[in-house]
Amino acid sequence: KQEVTQIPAALSVPEGENLVLNCSFTDSAIYNLQWFRQDPGKGLTSLLLIQSSQREQTSGRLNASLDKSSGRSTLYIAASQPGDSATYLCAVRAYSGAGSYQLTFGKGTKLSVIP
Amino acid sequence: DTAVSQTPKYLVTQMGNDKSIKCEQNLGHDTMYWYKQDSKKFLKIMFSYNNKELIINETVPNRFSPKSPDKAHLNLHINSLELGDSAVYFCASSQGPGTGDYTFGSGTRLTVV
Repeated sequence: KQEVTQIPAALSVPEGENLVLNCSFTDSAIYNLQWFRQDPGKGLTSLLLIQSSQREQTSGRLNASLDKSSGRSTLYIAASQPGDSATYLCAVRAYSGAGSYQLTFGKGTKLSVIP
Repeated sequence: DTAVSQTPKYLVTQMGNDKSIKCEQNLGHDTMYWYKQDSKKFLKIMFSYNNKELIINETVPNRFSPKSPDKAHLNLHINSLELGDSAVYFCASSQGPGTGDYTFGSGTRLTVV
């Protein structure tokens, strides 16, 4: 059974700092990996989707990498801003049989960027 | 234009009641999902439908019954509500079961008293 772990559970950084969020998964037979952002009391916003054949994806100040063989992904945020404060969730999609795929989430990293 | 919309946003009800949460997506996606986020903020899949057919049915009490009248809608009906059902329920959709990224609704916060 796939398990997704995110470290650290919480992170507080001063504005302007670069930071890395970590995600690891136990079963490397994944289809893709997706990073989401969740603001308090809100839904999830998709940030980046990396297919299993890809090594990284970039969007603005965000860069996500994927090392499928070692079961790891990182989300790099450059020049952090207070508006980046949110919970960041990593989720892996894997085939679960009978034509269905399952998205398994980590518990998230709560990021606080201090002005 | 909200891509995935859920109603209601908040739901407070007494134990033993029956309630429904509605979800609609206007993205033309074939696959829809219900997720539950518990008090510890952990998101877990409950159900998935592809083209109105159930393809994922995790270990959920049978008091929970999803219904997909068409591929743009996936509703969740809950019978005999219990205190432990209190959580945030998220609807989501994707282009297919294995394709495209997920788009989530803003959630329904259910409180059972």
